[in-house]
Amino acid sequence: NAGVMQNPRHLVRRRGQEARLRCSPMKGHSHVYWYRQLPEEGLKFMVYLQKENIIDESGMPKERFSAEFPKEGPSILRIQQVVRGDSAAYFCASSGGAQGLYGYTFGSGTRLTVV
Amino acid sequence: AQSVTQPDIHITVSEGASLELRCNYSYGATPYLFWYVQSPGQGLQLLLKYFSGDTLVQGIKGFEAEFKRSQSSFNLRKPSVHWSDAAEYFCAVVRQDGGSQGNLIFGKGTKLSVKP
Repeated sequence: NAGVMQNPRHLVRRRGQEARLRCSPMKGHSHVYWYRQLPEEGLKFMVYLQKENIIDESGMPKERFSAEFPKEGPSILRIQQVVRGDSAAYFCASSGGAQGLYGYTFGSGTRLTVV
Repeated sequence: AQSVTQPDIHITVSEGASLELRCNYSYGATPYLFWYVQSPGQGLQLLLKYFSGDTLVQGIKGFEAEFKRSQSSFNLRKPSVHWSDAAEYFCAVVRQDGGSQGNLIFGKGTKLSVKP
């Protein structure tokens, strides 16, 4: 029973390129959350998705960032035209129900470095 | 707005000593609270959670936490620290204050160092 799978583990992009981060939730989980962790900071919520729906994107920067969770396949966090300030660890969590009543399981994260 | 405060940025304890990591939250009703641990370069591992019921919660790796509503606290404790406990610890609360709910609000973390 695999946990939350994130790939790639490490991603290096030049300024101006696009970054695509993938998250496959735990089997049976239909709620996906993306968080960003900047150095020396805690995790900050970005976006909450259910299958084919964005439920809450209040933590997502208004420009260059987008997320999706299609009917089939993993959830994708997409960052267009990356800048140095996007360098961070991006974590995905999944849950089997709303409000995390069944618990949240985190992936190992994708560490994005923009050079 | 809901928030989580971890007052201690960095704590150093000797191996075998007891540990208490502080966490304070702001929320009027019953919060859903979590403690996670993160080793360097790794993801987050759940130590324990509190939703309701008994205010003393047991977790993995010998950790426990006590929910105190009167103090708005959910402090993490361990009677005897092992060198392998050196990591960063995050307290989190489920957002329940309106709008979309269900995501976690994290404290900034407490980094634990263990002296031999």
